[in-house]
This record gives sequence, C-alpha cells and structure tokens, in this order.
Amino acid sequence: QVQLQESGPGLVKPSETLSLTCSVSGASISGHYWSWIRQPPGKGLEWIGYVYYTGGTDYNPSLKSRVSISVGTSKIQYSLRLSSVTAADTAVYYCARVDRSGWVHDYWGQGILVTVSS
Amino acid sequence: QSVLTQPPSVSGAPGQRVTISCTGSSSNIGAGYDVQWYQQLPGTAPKLLIYGNINRPSGVPDRFSGSKSGTSASLAITGLQAEDEADYYCQSYDISLTVFYVFGTGTKVTVL
Repeated sequence: QVQLQESGPGLVKPSETLSLTCSVSGASISGHYWSWIRQPPGKGLEWIGYVYYTGGTDYNPSLKSRVSISVGTSKIQYSLRLSSVTAADTAVYYCARVDRSGWVHDYWGQGILVTVSS
Repeated sequence: QSVLTQPPSVSGAPGQRVTISCTGSSSNIGAGYDVQWYQQLPGTAPKLLIYGNINRPSGVPDRFSGSKSGTSASLAITGLQAEDEADYYCQSYDISLTVFYVFGTGTKVTVL
C-alpha cells in the first residue's frame, strides 16, 4: 500500500522559507510525478508543482518565482521549498502521487498545516 | 479564482440522488481534457473518487458516477448515505493557464 507522509515546521515567520518533506513508502518513486498541493483554511485546493523521479519539475505559474521541488538523494523522499512567505501562504500542504497517466493524483498524504506568523 | 466552477453546496435526504456540476470552458474541459473528482471527508485529505471522466478506482462504490459533456462535467451520487457528507472537487487541465492541474471551487454535500 502506497503511503505518503508530510513533515516539517508547522510555523514559519513572514519573509522566511517554508520547507517540507514528503516520505514515500510502499512504492518506488521511479516512474511517477510527485506533487505538492495546498489548501488554505476553509478554501479550495491549489496545485503548487511537481517533480519527476529523475528530477524534472514544473510549477504553477502563480508560484513559480518562489517554489522549488526536488527529489531526495535517497529516492524515497521529495521536498518543497517556498520562499518569501506571507500570511497568504498559510495552508494545509499535501503531497500526492501522480499516476502513470499523468493526470490523476491517486495517493495523498494526510497533510500538514503550516501557519505563517511572527 | 478557479476556472472550474461548482455549486457551493448541494443537499439531499438519505437514499436520494444528488448531482454536482463542474463548469469549465473551451480551454479546459471543452478542449477534451479529462475530469477527475475527489472526495474530502471532514478533516481528512482528498481521496480520488472518479478519474478519466467516468472511471471509479477499486473500492469506490458504484453509487458514484461521473459524466462529461461539452464544457462541463457532473458527479452523481445515487442512494445518498450519511457517510457521503463531504466536500467534492473536480479537477482538469487548463491550456490557457499552463497549469497542469486545476481544481474546481468545491461543493459541500449535506445529507439531511
């Protein structure tokens, strides 16, 4: 059974960099795209970007200047970095696997709430 | 502001049928891109419910069905149950935004 687990600080100060890691178990990271998706409190879902297992990336244009997603050297984790955060970046952040069709997020982590506040 | 519009809420009594619309445009659903539906139970992560417009992953009850026509898609829930009370999101691709995954505005389903 594929499992994803987000980890990282739950509180980040304004203007600093948000850093999260997604640990993957039960499946190889190979052959898939791996996404980050966020959901502000009480609001809808927003795709942030993804990384391919070989390291290639693509990002939501609205966040592209501040986002970096990478695969860990162990190939069982991938990470999100979002710079210059503001209160508008407060959200539950989910990591999710994209299936082999490339269109479907078939497995999701439980999510981690990140609050941006001084 | 999402490019896929859903009604904020729908409701129905147990056993009834409810439908949720997902209205897009010629740059997303109307361009032929597939629609997925995700169910988000309170306090939990979204779960894949329908993929490729009409397909159910293993384990999803056949009470849930999807359809697509023109620039819109729909999710139907027949035989509504209390456990179906959740938020539902459609998702597709929008060529004008060059965003691989755009989500709908979300619909809260309430079981009366």
